[in-house]
Order: sequence, then C-alpha cells, then structure tokens
Amino acid sequence: EVQLVESGGSLIQPGGSLRLSCAASKFIFSSYSMNWVRQAPGKGLEWVSYVSTSGGLVYYADSVKGRFTISRDNAKDSLYLQMNSLRDEDTAVYYCGRSAGGAYKDGPSDWGQGTLVTVSS
Amino acid sequence: DVVMTQSPLSLPVTLGQPASISCRSSQSLVHSDGNTYLTWFQQRPGQSPRRLIYRVSNRDSGVPDRFSGSGSDTDFALKISRVEAEDVGVYYCMQGTHWPPYAFGQGTKLEIQ
Repeated sequence: EVQLVESGGSLIQPGGSLRLSCAASKFIFSSYSMNWVRQAPGKGLEWVSYVSTSGGLVYYADSVKGRFTISRDNAKDSLYLQMNSLRDEDTAVYYCGRSAGGAYKDGPSDWGQGTLVTVSS
Repeated sequence: DVVMTQSPLSLPVTLGQPASISCRSSQSLVHSDGNTYLTWFQQRPGQSPRRLIYRVSNRDSGVPDRFSGSGSDTDFALKISRVEAEDVGVYYCMQGTHWPPYAFGQGTKLEIQ
C-alpha cells in the first residue's frame, strides 16, 4: 500500500521559516508528480504547490508564490516544501499527495496523513 | 481562476436513503483534449482526503458502487444511492481542467439525521 508520511510541522512565529518533508514508500516515487495541499482549521482544501516527476516543472498558488519553494529528491523518495516569511494565514494541516505522471489533472489519488503548521506569536 | 460552488453545504440524510451533492463551475470544464477533469473527494472526520471519482464518473479502486458521479460542462453531481454510516464526512469537488491551480469547492458536510 502506498505510504506518504509528512513531517516538519510545528509552532512558528510570523515571519519565520519552516521546511516540511514527505517521505514516500511502496511505489516508484520518481514516476509520480507530487502536490502540497493545505487545510486551515475548520476550513476546506486549498492547493499549494505542484512538482513534476523530474522536479523540472513547479507551480504555486498565488497565496504562496515567492514565499514557498517545492522540491523533490527522487534518490531519497522525498518531497519538500520550504516555507519562508510565514503568515498567520498559513496556519493549516499540510498534506502531500501524489498524482500519476500523466494524470495530474485528476488531482492527487493518494494523500498522506498531514502535518500541522501553526503560525502564531 | 475557476470558481467551484457546491450545494448544499450541509446535508442531513437518513441511513439507507439517497443523497446528492451539486457542484457548479464558473467556466466549462471540458478540456481541449476532450476530457472533463472534475474530481470528487471524501474526507471522513479526522482523516485525510480520499479521492472517490475522477473525470466526472470514474470511480477509484475500492470505492463502493453506491457512489456515482455525473454531469457535464459546468454542472456536476455526486450521488450516493443508499447512505451508510461510514459515508459521514465532508465531500469536495475539484477541477483540474484549468490547472494550475486546482480549484476545490467549499465542501458539503454529510451527516446522519
């Protein structure tokens, strides 16, 4: 069974930085594009970022563009999200999700359990 | 960007009865490749989202056949033929046609009455 395990979430002050990780296992990580999707407390789902199978193509939601950086290490079966200049409104559970390489328009088919980021002074 | 609008936002249903959720997009979701990238997700209480249906009507592996998706262009629906207790949760539609970004609906909370 596919496994996606997020880590790195914590309480951080506004303006701070944090790096999230997503460890993938039980599938060929390099064959799947990856996403980060977040969910603020009691709210709905918001797509954050996408990275292609090779890492050469990345996209971001307008709300995080210029502050967040997505990356992946296919040798380590890992996905990352570097989050800088954090704001209160970035407080959310962050999920990583995988999409079959050519079927990314169908959205993530599998999701991790999420990691909580709390931005507060 | 495309806006996805779901209704109702709250859906009380009696066990064994059918349920239907509507999802409307602000633009046609028919892609130039001929596909319509409309996806439904289920999020049970305290759990991660789970994809149920993609491209309007294709069920993911393991999804019970009491779940069905339909619609076209800008108007879509998720139907549950007979609601079971395990169906409680929030349901989201999402478009991928005009990606990026993916756009999610606000979510519909299904509860047992």
